[in-house]
Amino acid sequence: EVQLLESGGGLVQPGESLRLSCAASGFSFRDYAMGWVRQAPGKGLEWVSVIRDSGRTFYATFVEGRFTISRDNSKSTMYLQINSLRAQDTAVYYCVKTAPYGTGWYGKNDFWGQGTLVTVSS
Amino acid sequence: DDQLTQSPSSLSAFVGDRVTITCRASQNIDTYLNWYQQKPGKAPKLLIYAASSLHSGVPSRFSGSGSGTEFALTINTLQPEDFATYYCQQSCRTPITFGQGTRLDIQ
Repeated sequence: EVQLLESGGGLVQPGESLRLSCAASGFSFRDYAMGWVRQAPGKGLEWVSVIRDSGRTFYATFVEGRFTISRDNSKSTMYLQINSLRAQDTAVYYCVKTAPYGTGWYGKNDFWGQGTLVTVSS
Repeated sequence: DDQLTQSPSSLSAFVGDRVTITCRASQNIDTYLNWYQQKPGKAPKLLIYAASSLHSGVPSRFSGSGSGTEFALTINTLQPEDFATYYCQQSCRTPITFGQGTRLDIQ
């Protein structure tokens, strides 16, 4: 059974940093691209970032260099480092697994974690 | 970035109805279009991938169609558990993008 367990969220002040973790199990973690999707309170889904099995990374336009995605295949864990946090970063952050189809490497997000809430407030 | 525009943003329907939600892409995305369902307080769930392929375990009353820039999600014979918010997502190119969502309420 695929499981994705996020951790690391909490209440932080503007300008601070935070590292989110996603512990994966139930599949061959090293073989899949993994990503993050966030959802601000009462708002829609917003794609954040993905890291391919090769380690290559991609980010949403709004990231502006403040986020860094990484992975440790030996621990089946993915991370999201968020620096210079802003109130607009307040959201539930979901860890997602990808599954390619066709000739596309990203494909679909077939499994989601339960999410971890990040609240940025003074 | 590829923009996805869903319509309508919200709709009300009765149990037993058939509903269709559309998703329009700003550029050609072939069939790299996925649909998700989200219920309040829960993580989204994959329904349809590659525009028209049903994800494992999803009831057959859900179907998807389209290619290029025009896509649709159809739910036949609405069940009480189908009232939720639906999102389309393009995975043709990064950055990956989502539509703004369609809230489906029971009438």
